[in-house]
Amino acid sequence: GQQVMQIPQYQHVQEGEDFTTYCNSSTTLSNIQWYKQRPGGHPVFLIQLVKSGEVKKQKRLTFQFGEAKKNSSLHITATQTTDVGTYFCAGVDSYSGAGSYQLTFGKGTKLSVIP
Amino acid sequence: SQTIHQWPATLVQPVGSPLSLECTVEGTSNPNLYWYRQAAGRGLQLLFYSVGIGQISSEVPQNLSASRPQDRQFILSSKKLLLSDSGFYLCAWSQEGPGYTFGSGTRLTVV
Repeated sequence: GQQVMQIPQYQHVQEGEDFTTYCNSSTTLSNIQWYKQRPGGHPVFLIQLVKSGEVKKQKRLTFQFGEAKKNSSLHITATQTTDVGTYFCAGVDSYSGAGSYQLTFGKGTKLSVIP
Repeated sequence: SQTIHQWPATLVQPVGSPLSLECTVEGTSNPNLYWYRQAAGRGLQLLFYSVGIGQISSEVPQNLSASRPQDRQFILSSKKLLLSDSGFYLCAWSQEGPGYTFGSGTRLTVV
């Protein structure tokens, strides 16, 4: 079945440093989504990427979807303590033919920011 | 606006006891509904999803079952809990737009 791998599992950064998490799928994706889960909270949808090579920005966050639609990345510029949490990517297999309920989550990258 | 309610927030249950977790969605009709489990604060495992009343698909065979008695109500149940059922259970909904909206979750500890 489809697998979505995410690296690194953990990342500790000094406040103000940049952070990047990478997501790789074993199959081609029709779209990829990113979520953020604060400590003790629930995942919150951040963004969806659909097109090959797509790049989207949300303030200090930059999301990329690979040309082959099998990988994605999230980059945070100048991290702040409010960025602390676990970032998940989640992909929809383009061949599943079953709609959005075939969303497969990566295991997430847990970001710690040292003030 | 749409909201999702999930309860209880925390639950401690003895091994062998039954379980019923409820999730309701407001402000939308015919949503897709999902139950996820998150173990040890990490990855999300899809347990069940439903595209309509009475329509349940199971992703992982296990000690749990799900039901959708009403359009915006999704229930996760077990007849006899196991220690391995402990975890963070999350309900979510989606429709045509991108992204899932998750409930606040239930932290279940089986003792």
